[in-house]
Amino acid sequence: AQSVTQPDIHITVSEGASLELRCNYSYGATPYLFWYVQSPGQGLQLLLKYFSGDTLVQGIKGFEAEFKRSQSSFNLRKPSVHWSDAAEYFCAVGTTSGTYKYIFGTGTRLKVLA
Amino acid sequence: NAGVMQNPRHLVRRRGQEARLRCSPMKGHSHVYWYRQLPEEGLKFMVYLQKENIIDESGMPKERFSAEFPKEGPSILRIQQVVRGDSAAYFCASSPPETGGTGELFFGEGSRLTVL
Repeated sequence: AQSVTQPDIHITVSEGASLELRCNYSYGATPYLFWYVQSPGQGLQLLLKYFSGDTLVQGIKGFEAEFKRSQSSFNLRKPSVHWSDAAEYFCAVGTTSGTYKYIFGTGTRLKVLA
Repeated sequence: NAGVMQNPRHLVRRRGQEARLRCSPMKGHSHVYWYRQLPEEGLKFMVYLQKENIIDESGMPKERFSAEFPKEGPSILRIQQVVRGDSAAYFCASSPPETGGTGELFFGEGSRLTVL
């Protein structure tokens, strides 16, 4: 069965520090991978997505993610975090067989220290 | 082009009452997904619908929960005889018809159900 694991429930970083949020997936076929961000009381907004091709994908707000098939990972990174990046981040895999649904991880809540 | 619209944003019900949550997808989108979000549990898939069809309801509880997406009008998630454990945020997302599981999901701002 498809699954997504985000091992870090909470992460705290200082403003200006680098950030890496981990995501591991389990899916038998070629995965379609996504990172979404959710601000408090809001819906989710797409940060970036990977379908094929270059394994390093760029997204909005200065985020990037790298797909590593050998590690079944799709980690999200940002070189310098801003206070406005404090939010919850969700990794998701889109299934391309069966009924085409999206499986989300449990999320990582990011806190940014001034 | 309006985004995904969910209403009500907040709903309070007493145990045993019914809750109806509505979702109007983005214009041109014919795929609708419902997710439930509980604290520390992330987003749990509930149901995937296309116009007049339930495609996948593997995440729906077997009792009290139902969903529809009629030819005209919004998608509705209905919870009968609510219990305290149904308190959660319910998110609707939509996608265009041609993307299946590969395209971006567009999310509404959620409906937060509180059961007293």
